[in-house]
Amino acid sequence: GQSLEQPSEVTAVEGAIVQINCTYQTSGFYGLSWYQQHDGGAPTFLSYNALDGLEETGRFSSFLSRSDSYGYLLLQELQMKDSASYFCAVLEGGNYQLIWGAGTKLIIKP
Amino acid sequence: DAGVTQSPTHLIKTRGQQVTLRCSPISGHKSVSWYQQVLGQGPQFIFQYYEKEERGRGNFPDRFSARQFPNYSSELNVNALLLGDSALYLCASSSQGDTGELFFGEGSRLTVL
Repeated sequence: GQSLEQPSEVTAVEGAIVQINCTYQTSGFYGLSWYQQHDGGAPTFLSYNALDGLEETGRFSSFLSRSDSYGYLLLQELQMKDSASYFCAVLEGGNYQLIWGAGTKLIIKP
Repeated sequence: DAGVTQSPTHLIKTRGQQVTLRCSPISGHKSVSWYQQVLGQGPQFIFQYYEKEERGRGNFPDRFSARQFPNYSSELNVNALLLGDSALYLCASSSQGDTGELFFGEGSRLTVL
């Protein structure tokens, strides 16, 4: 079957670093994406990893290990505006679809 | 430049009715995908269209159908509405079909009573 697992909720302090993990089990894996979604808003693309390794974009970094079926999103210098839900999603090539996890609600405290 | 636009933003229907949702992709994008998101869950893939052809279909009943027009805009139709169809329907566009980078509209929130 197809499944993605990520923590339901993570709490961190403003200015800190937080890591959101994602493990997946899918067929036809092409790559792993990360999206941010604020309450009532649309998902916003953060990153996409097709190859193993770390991709850095500003305060956000994303990592992928294809052999371990594992990835993570790293958020540095947390700001209150980063409070949102974060989704990992696997691009499955056979059906051109993104398969999404249930999301991780990130709560940031002052 | 305009992003992905969807209409209507909110709508209320009763069981058994039919609904049509509309989406205009980012200019230059030829791929449109539709997702259903139930509160508290991740989006579920419904369809992808690329260059006006269906490229992928998710695990949804035949009551769900879609099409893409020559200008790359798209419509999602849902017939015989059920209470369980209440959700946020998201449209996403991309420049190519096989990419993990999608640009989403704000969605159409459907409530079925």
